[in-house]
Amino acid sequence: QQQVRQSSQSLTVWEGETAILNCSYENSAFDYFPWYQQFPGEGPALLIAIRSVSDKKEDGRFTIFFNKREKNLSLHIKDSQPGDSATYFCAATASSGSWQLIFGSGTQLTVMP
Amino acid sequence: NAGVIQTPRHKVTGKGQEATLWCEPISGHSAVFWYRQTIVQGLEFLTYFRNQAPIDDSGMPKERFSAQMPNQSHSTLKIQSTQPQDSAVYLCASSSGGSETLYFGSGTRLTVL
Repeated sequence: QQQVRQSSQSLTVWEGETAILNCSYENSAFDYFPWYQQFPGEGPALLIAIRSVSDKKEDGRFTIFFNKREKNLSLHIKDSQPGDSATYFCAATASSGSWQLIFGSGTQLTVMP
Repeated sequence: NAGVIQTPRHKVTGKGQEATLWCEPISGHSAVFWYRQTIVQGLEFLTYFRNQAPIDDSGMPKERFSAQMPNQSHSTLKIQSTQPQDSAVYLCASSSGGSETLYFGSGTRLTVL
């Protein structure tokens, strides 16, 4: 049973477009949702995160939109660049729990120049 | 700050042999996590230490896998009698007390022949 689900295994966009990566979750206790970015040969690195009390978090070209009622969230990458080509993982945890971060299966983003 | 250091980067073992993977967390970080990454299963939580004490090992296969944190500067993951299905990238991450941000190492790629 996948607690955190990413709907697309892969996504291709052109340079300058907005890439939209989707994620959904099942556990209502989850209240912290980070997105991690991973390049080949490296470990994942935190990109941006949101708490369930917010519906939007913006950091430069990266924005998370969060819908608590629908239990889904999306990562928007504005003005995509070839250097954004990587795998993006949505994750979730319950701050009051044992602090185990549950990851989605990842979306491999390719930005074509 | 060198980040989380994992050694070795690559390890090849024969079926039935033992493998020990090492992790040096970021200095001052009180929590250490181990994850396993495969194409099929994605990022799977294995175990978690806080202040060197084991907190949650719910993701650890009950047989053959063990993890220790003998001091605040390193943790080990030991796999006894390795099997081909243990082949994966094993990732270690650390975080500071009070922060949910995980800082990952580059991982150890274990190949069991």
